[in-house]
Amino acid sequence: DAGITQSPRHKVTETGTPVTLRCHQTENHRYMYWYRQDPGHGLRLIHYSYGVKDTDKGEVSDGYSVSRSKTEDFLLTLESATSSQTSVYFCAISESGGDSANTGELFFGEGSRLTVL
Amino acid sequence: GQNIDQPTEMTATEGAIVQINCTYQTSGFNGLFWYQQHAGEAPTFLSYNVLDGLEEKGRFSSFLSRSKGYSYLLLKELQMKDSASYLCAVRSFYNQGGKLIFGQGTELSVKP
Repeated sequence: DAGITQSPRHKVTETGTPVTLRCHQTENHRYMYWYRQDPGHGLRLIHYSYGVKDTDKGEVSDGYSVSRSKTEDFLLTLESATSSQTSVYFCAISESGGDSANTGELFFGEGSRLTVL
Repeated sequence: GQNIDQPTEMTATEGAIVQINCTYQTSGFNGLFWYQQHAGEAPTFLSYNVLDGLEEKGRFSSFLSRSKGYSYLLLKELQMKDSASYLCAVRSFYNQGGKLIFGQGTELSVKP
């Protein structure tokens, strides 16, 4: 199994509070991703990173920011949590991103369940 | 943009064969992935197709037709543990960072 850990695994917070989710990998993979998963929507990309300090927006980035100061850590921050951000958040990593002979499949962490009251 | 469609739910019988279809629209196609996700768990990689044809891996096979924008996942000799959600995902050359766009997933229930 790919070495990916997410923390916290479960969190309940109130509307308006800041929240940071952490993704830590031990695989030294270049690419890291944050997805959210909601019933009826599947997995939707929030932000991704293609290297240290290199990040870009996904399809549902409003209300979220990310940072990657080290290869192994990718942080997702909700500056002011809203009830619409209640979801399960998955971090994923990829070695090549599909730009080499490697298939570039994503390996997922166990998920962080966030509830915003 | 990219669009991926797959059935929401399917039911099959233990020991049978089931085919889960996925249709997609994308420019710069650069690979199609199938993932399995059990309830409350992380998605796990099942298969990858980038060229037309069938890829077989044990009881699971995946087929791709790029001209038709179509793929299917074939599960043989179904077992109860195959009850899960099956996610189809597509990658495009135009998607920087190798990101995958996922369909909504197909919830498969295997009955005795």
